[in-house]
Amino acid sequence: QITLKESGPTLVKPTQTLTLTCTFSGFSLSTRGLGVGWIRQPPGKALEWLALIYWDDDKRYSPSLKSRLTISKDTSKDQVVLTVTNVDPLDTATYYCAQQGGIAVTSGAFGFWGQGTMVTVSS
Amino acid sequence: SYVLTQSPSVSVAPGQTARIPCGGNNIGSKSVHWYQQKPGQAPVLVVYDDSDRPSGIPERISGSNSENTATLTISRVEAGDEADYYCQVWDSSSDPVVFGGGTKLTVL
Repeated sequence: QITLKESGPTLVKPTQTLTLTCTFSGFSLSTRGLGVGWIRQPPGKALEWLALIYWDDDKRYSPSLKSRLTISKDTSKDQVVLTVTNVDPLDTATYYCAQQGGIAVTSGAFGFWGQGTMVTVSS
Repeated sequence: SYVLTQSPSVSVAPGQTARIPCGGNNIGSKSVHWYQQKPGQAPVLVVYDDSDRPSGIPERISGSNSENTATLTISRVEAGDEADYYCQVWDSSSDPVVFGGGTKLTVL
């Protein structure tokens, strides 16, 4: 059974750095073809992809946020970490992590999602 | 960067067929994935690679993709289908993941 769960602060002040952790089970991120991504959703708005890390440590970022994002993995802990620097109230959103490649190795679909964690940026 | 365009809303009566389009430049050359999201819940994958269904997704939900439009089709619509639906593409090159703006399906 594949599960993912996001954790991190619920409230962050503007200009601070936000660190989110995705802890997963039921698969290993050292398995060829798999990836874990971060997607966020501001209240009442659409999904926005942020970053993706692959089994071979290849990393991809949203062009519009690339300068503020860092994604990393700890295979031994089954965790993926996302940092967002210099946060702003516009970063207020529910942040999801999701597995890519588990439904079909060559597919870019996110087949399994965490429940999401709400982050508010406010002074 | 690549853009996916979705209509904000679609309404359909119970028992009828809902068609939710997703537009993109030459989207027919890409693999399109669809997600259903109900209020307060995480998205759920309902169609991947244009027309495949994950385990547990009913056959009345289907997808197609051609030229500049991909379409999610829900036959015999039920009240429980009321949700937001998002299309997504993946390109392993420059912009690997793009989501559409979402379509709210209302069951009348």
